[in-house]
Amino acid sequence: GNSVTQMEGPVTLSEEAFLTINCTYTATGYPSLFWYVQYPGEGLQLLLKATKADDKGSNKGFEATYRKETTSFHLEKGSVQVSDSAVYFCALSTGGFKTIFGAGTRLFVKA
Amino acid sequence: GAVVSQHPSWVICKSGTSVKIECRSLDFQATTMFWYRQFPKQSLMLMATSNEGSKATYEQGVEKDKFLINHASLTLSTLTVTSAHPEDSSFYICSANKPGADTQYFGPGTRLTVL
Repeated sequence: GNSVTQMEGPVTLSEEAFLTINCTYTATGYPSLFWYVQYPGEGLQLLLKATKADDKGSNKGFEATYRKETTSFHLEKGSVQVSDSAVYFCALSTGGFKTIFGAGTRLFVKA
Repeated sequence: GAVVSQHPSWVICKSGTSVKIECRSLDFQATTMFWYRQFPKQSLMLMATSNEGSKATYEQGVEKDKFLINHASLTLSTLTVTSAHPEDSSFYICSANKPGADTQYFGPGTRLTVL
């Protein structure tokens, strides 16, 4: 079945550090891939997405590239801020919008 | 962007009572909505797919008689936790498909605490 695996957290970084959160997936067919962010006390928000191989999703300085050959969709940001502290979920969706989420990675950014 | 609301945002109830949670799409019509459950520090687990005008489709292991879903209109789906027990305490999140969009829009979630 379809599944998403992402690196365990928490990840603790200093402000302006480089961020990578690894995500790999298993899916039949050609899924769309997403990163969602959940800030403390809030619901999920779509951060970025990619719908086909080699697409790069980007938003708010974050980016991720859909790599079919390695079945990966790693999230990166060149310089994190304290306000980026949140839980990040990698997810995939096949036809019908049924979405499978990874376990989530909690990010703490220190000033 | 599209807006999805949930009501209530938090609820505390006694064991054995039933609790209804509403999910509304405020600025679009959603033929399909999804209900998720999130335990502390864990990921979202899909509970069921709610289809307007028809029965919900439940994921394996989810008790349909305990978690009643009604999608009576194109903008409203409700989840009723019947005879709630402390182990039902969780964060319940809904999402909705906006026609023409290739992603879901999530509600802010409802925190249920059963005493």
